[in-house]
Amino acid sequence: AQSVTQPDIHITVSEGASLELRCNYSYGATPYLFWYVQSPGQGLQLLLKYFSGDTLVQGIKGFEAEFKRSQSSFNLRKPSVHWSDAAEYFCAVGARQAGTALIFGKGTTLSVSS
Amino acid sequence: KAGVTQTPRYLIKTRGQQVTLSCSPISGHRSVSWYQQTPGQGLQFLFEYFSETQRNKGNFPGRFSGRQFSNSRSEMNVSTLELGDSALYLCASSLGSGDGSYEQYFGPGTRLTVT
Repeated sequence: AQSVTQPDIHITVSEGASLELRCNYSYGATPYLFWYVQSPGQGLQLLLKYFSGDTLVQGIKGFEAEFKRSQSSFNLRKPSVHWSDAAEYFCAVGARQAGTALIFGKGTTLSVSS
Repeated sequence: KAGVTQTPRYLIKTRGQQVTLSCSPISGHRSVSWYQQTPGQGLQFLFEYFSETQRNKGNFPGRFSGRQFSNSRSEMNVSTLELGDSALYLCASSLGSGDGSYEQYFGPGTRLTVT
């Protein structure tokens, strides 16, 4: 079955510290991978995407993610977290065959402590 | 460029009623997809419309329907509302063709509460 797993429901990171959010997927086809961020009461903002090519992708707000096919993972990283990064982060997977139908993980809530 | 807009932002309805939600995509985007977000089930794909035709459909009952107009604006309708339909309904737009199909931009959502 197709699925996306975000193992960490809630993570707290000190401001200025590095961040890594984990994402593992199970998908039959060659995946397209996305990270979205959602602030309370808001819609989803696209942070970055992977379609093909270089497995290390850069996104907005200083985020990056690395696609590791052998581990079926697409972890999100940021070298130095800012208080404004506190939000909920969603990993999603799609494929050309699936069109725009994305499968989302359950999300990871990031809290930033001062 | 203006983002995806959704109206209304909040709705309260009673069980058994029906509701219509509206979504205006980013200018130039021809594909509109709808998602339901609930605390229990998370984000789930409802359906996608492209060029006024439903192109893809998720696993939801027939009470959930949609349509798209020639200007790419889309509406979603839920009939015979149930308490479990309470959710944030998100609309996403994309170019609709080429690799741009798969890069979706979301609106702020419509919060539907069914009492």
